[in-house]
Amino acid sequence: SYELTQPPSVSVSPGQTARITCSGDALTKQYAYWYHQRPGQAPVLVIYKDNERPSGIPERFSGSSSGTTVTMTISGVQAEDEGDYHCQSADNSGTYPVFGGGTKLTVL
Amino acid sequence: QVQLVESGGGVVHPGRSLRLSCAASGFPFSNYAMHWVRQAPGKGLEWVAVISKEGNKRHYADSVKGRFAISRDNSKNTQYLQMNSPRAEDTAVYFCAKHDPSRWFDPWGQGILVTVSS
Repeated sequence: SYELTQPPSVSVSPGQTARITCSGDALTKQYAYWYHQRPGQAPVLVIYKDNERPSGIPERFSGSSSGTTVTMTISGVQAEDEGDYHCQSADNSGTYPVFGGGTKLTVL
Repeated sequence: QVQLVESGGGVVHPGRSLRLSCAASGFPFSNYAMHWVRQAPGKGLEWVAVISKEGNKRHYADSVKGRFAISRDNSKNTQYLQMNSPRAEDTAVYFCAKHDPSRWFDPWGQGILVTVSS
C-alpha cells in the first residue's frame, strides 16, 4: 500500500489564494484528483487528472503537479469554499484508489 | 441528472449482518463500475470496494476483505454492500460512487450512517 500526505488545515482570508498540497510516491505515475466536502455533505469532484476542472466548477480552482507533490490552488477564496479537501490517487495498477487524510480549509 | 441514493444503514450489533443498497438513476448503470467509500466520524475518506460494470470483478480494501461483499443487480440499477461480522471500527458514513474512467469518483451519493454497537 502507499500513502498520500496532506496538511491537516489551511487558513486564508477572503480574496486571498489558498494552496493545498498532497504528497506521495504514487503521484509520479498516477494522476491526482481533488474532492471538496462541506460538513454533512457528500464529496464533490473539483479537479481531475491533476489539473482538469469539471464543468460547473469555478475557474478559481486549479491544480498542478511536480514530482511527488500535487497542489490545488484556489485563487480569490470565497466563504463558500470552506470545508474539507481530499486528494486521491491510485496504485501503480490503477486498480486500488487511495485518499489523503484531508485538509480543512478555513476562510477567516 | 445522475442520482445515487443509499439506504439500509442504521445500528447493527457486532458480528451480525447488514446490507446497504445504492439505487442509481440518470445514467446507463450497466455501463459503469461502482464503488463504496466510507468515512468514520471526524476522519478522512477510505475506499472500501469496487465492482465491475458486469459484476464479475470485485476488489476490496484489506480492512474489509473476507467480511464485506459488493454486488450489483443491473436489472434494478442497484448495487449492494453486504456487511458481515461488522466491527466497531466499521462505524462510518458509507457513500456509493459511480466510477468515471477519467474522473474516478463522480458523482457520490449523499451517504448513509452505519453504527456498529452492542
